[in-house]
Formats: sequence, C-alpha cells, structure tokens
Amino acid sequence: GNSVTQMEGPVTLSEEAFLTINCTYTATGYPSLFWYVQYPGEGLQLLLKATKADDKGSNKGFEATYRKETTSFHLEKGSVQVSDSAVYFCALRPNSGNTPLVFGKGTRLSVIA
Amino acid sequence: DAGVIQSPRHEVTEMGQEVTLRCKPISGHDYLFWYRQTMMRGLELLIYFNNNVPIDDSGMPEDRFSAKMPNASFSTLKIQPSEPRDSAVYFCASSASYRGDTEAFFGQGTRLTVV
Repeated sequence: GNSVTQMEGPVTLSEEAFLTINCTYTATGYPSLFWYVQYPGEGLQLLLKATKADDKGSNKGFEATYRKETTSFHLEKGSVQVSDSAVYFCALRPNSGNTPLVFGKGTRLSVIA
Repeated sequence: DAGVIQSPRHEVTEMGQEVTLRCKPISGHDYLFWYRQTMMRGLELLIYFNNNVPIDDSGMPEDRFSAKMPNASFSTLKIQPSEPRDSAVYFCASSASYRGDTEAFFGQGTRLTVV
C-alpha cells in the first residue's frame, strides 16, 4: 500500500540554523509528493509540492527534491526563523486515480531565538 | 474564495450528547475529505466524498460516526453518542479532481472536547 514515514520530532533549532526533515515513502506507481505546514491553532497549508522524479519544490525558503531512487522527499531550509515554528507533514497522492492524500505523522519544529 | 469553512471552531459537549460538525468546501471542488487529528494517532482520514457521494468510509471509527453531503456546498460529520475518546481536532478538506497532483485545501478545523 501507500505510506509515508517522516522523522519523529520534536526538532528544536536555534534561529538561522539549517533544517532537514526526512521523509520517505512507499507507493505503487509514481505519486505526487507534498509538504504541508500547520501553524498553531490553524489548519494545514500546502508548503510545496513535486509531481515527478527530480522535480524540486520550493516556497518561503524551503526546498524538497523528489528522489525516486531513494523514495525520499526531504524538506530543507538553509536558515530557519522563529516564525517557522510549526508542524510539518509529508504527504503523497497516487497518480493512478483520484484518491486522498496519505500523510506522515508530522514533525514538530520549534525555533528559538 | 473564502477557502474551506468549518463550524464551529470549538465545541465542548458532555459524553452521550450528539455532536454535528459542519463544512463548506471551496466552490467548484468535487472532492471532500474529513480528517481527525490527535496526538496519539496523528492525522487520520475518516471518509471522503466525490460529487456528494461517499467513496470510502473505512476510516470511520464506529457506527457512532456518520457523514453526509446533501449538496456540493455542504457536509456534516455527526457523532452520536459522543465519548471522551472522540476528543480531537476534526478537519475538512476539499480538492478538484483533475490530476493526482492536485493539492487539498484544509479548513481551520473544529476542536472537539467531550467531557
């Protein structure tokens, strides 16, 4: 079946530190991959996405590259800010049909000044 | 567009009472999803609809849970009777059916507390 595994949190970083949140997936076929972010008290928002192998999604300084050979979609940011504190979810959506997103369990990031 | 609208934002109820959560999807979207989020289990898909028809309700935890979508602009999730273990944040999301890469748009959620 389809599944997403992401690193357990919480992750605590100092402002301006480098961020990596690992995400790997299992899927039949070639899914689209997503990172969603959930700020405190809010719903999930799409952060970035990639639809095929070697695509790089980017937004707000965050990047992730669709790696088919390692079935990974790691999230990175070169210099985090306090305002990046949130829960980050990796997700996939199979391209074989119109089916729901499959989410990882989420990784909580806390950035301290 | 105002996005996906959920009501109420917060609900506190006593065990045994009926609870109804409401969702208005984005206009033109033909898929609607109900998710539940808890610390222990993370984000779980409960049920989803396509063109107002339930497609998969295998995530609905028990018969106490039911969901309806009487038209393209409204859906409800009902819990009857409610129990303390139903306490969670419930999210509604909607999407268009064009391609598998289409993102889902989430509402702000309803935080349910059953005491």
